[in-house]
Amino acid sequence: AQTVTQSQPEMSVQEAETVTLSCTYDTSENNYYLFWYKQPPSRQMILVIRQEAYKQQNATENRFSVNFQKAAKSFSLKISDSQLGDTAMYFCAFVETSGSRLTFGEGTQLTVNP
Amino acid sequence: EAGVVQSPRYKIIEKKQPVAFWCNPISGHNTLYWYLQNLGQGPELLIRYENEEAVDDSQLPKDRFSAERLKGVDSTLKIQPAELGDSAVYLCASSLEGRTNNEQFFGPGTRLTVL
Repeated sequence: AQTVTQSQPEMSVQEAETVTLSCTYDTSENNYYLFWYKQPPSRQMILVIRQEAYKQQNATENRFSVNFQKAAKSFSLKISDSQLGDTAMYFCAFVETSGSRLTFGEGTQLTVNP
Repeated sequence: EAGVVQSPRYKIIEKKQPVAFWCNPISGHNTLYWYLQNLGQGPELLIRYENEEAVDDSQLPKDRFSAERLKGVDSTLKIQPAELGDSAVYLCASSLEGRTNNEQFFGPGTRLTVL
């Protein structure tokens, strides 16, 4: 069974600074997808960024980028120029290519301070 | 375009009572998911529908939980009878197809409190 681990329950960062959230996963599959989801206090979860395991290039979406290390099974999220609106719970998630069941980590509560 | 709609947003009931949650997915999305999210944890899949067919319900506690999606559009999740441990947020999500790389769009959730 796949597992996703987020070892940082809480993190904080000053506005405009950069922060990195960690995620590791365990799988015997070679083909899969990884995601970062954001869940603000209103609870509507939204997709931040996704990475396909067969792509070596790290995904980037504006201020959000990932550091995907397939051999280490690591998938960290970097948020640049942090904004107050980035305050939320962030979940790392995994799905194997042959399925559609998302496995989520425990989440990291990020607080951006003014 | 409207997102995934869920109701009610909050529900408080006494244990042993029945409760139902409703979800209307994004128009045109044929895949619908129900997730359970306990406080401080990530969501866990309860059931996935492809149109009106439940294709993955292995995590649904079938002794007290049931779900339906009769016309392949909106869906209802029911708990009968509710237990104290069922207090959680129930999230509904939908996607265009149940393929791996298709983004799942989540609703705001229903927060259930069982007293």
